[in-house]
Amino acid sequence: AQTVTQSQPEMSVQEAETVTLSCTYDTSESNYYLFWYKQPPSRQMILVIRQEAYKQQNATENRFSVNFQKAAKSFSLKISDSQLGDTAMYFCAFMKRDRGLIFGTGTLLAVQP
Amino acid sequence: DTAVSQTPKYLVTQMGNDKSIKCEQNLGHDTMYWYKQDSKKFLKIMFSYNNKELIINETVPNRFSPKSPDKAHLNLHINSLELGDSAVYFCASSQGGQRYNEQFFGPGTRLTVL
Repeated sequence: AQTVTQSQPEMSVQEAETVTLSCTYDTSESNYYLFWYKQPPSRQMILVIRQEAYKQQNATENRFSVNFQKAAKSFSLKISDSQLGDTAMYFCAFMKRDRGLIFGTGTLLAVQP
Repeated sequence: DTAVSQTPKYLVTQMGNDKSIKCEQNLGHDTMYWYKQDSKKFLKIMFSYNNKELIINETVPNRFSPKSPDKAHLNLHINSLELGDSAVYFCASSQGGQRYNEQFFGPGTRLTVL
């Protein structure tokens, strides 16, 4: 069975600084997808970034980028130029094709002014 | 135009009651999901339907029964509600197929069982 681990329950960063959230996963699959979702206090689930396992190039979306290390089964999220609106719970998630998302336990990120 | 909608957004009920949560998507997707987020914010998939057929059924008590009258709807019915059922329930949808397709989430339904 696949598992996703986020070892940082809470993190804090100053506005405009850079922060990295960690995620590791365990799977025997070779083709799968990885995601970072953001859940602000409104509780809406928002897709931040996704990575396809067969792609070696790390995904980037504006201030958000990932460091995908397939052999190490590591998928960290880097947020550059942190903004107050980035304050939220961040979930790492794994998916194999049309199967449901398997989530990590989440990291609560607080951006301090 | 709401892509994935859920009703109600809040539901407070007594133990032992039966309740339903409705989900509708207007994205034309053929796959829909139910997730449960517990009090510690842990999210876990419960069910998935593709073209009205059940394709994922995780270890969920049989008091929970999903029903998909058509591709655009996936309702969740819960019998004999228990205190431990208190959680936020999210519906999501995606376009199935061989390639990855993003899951779009509804706003969630907060269920409180007293």
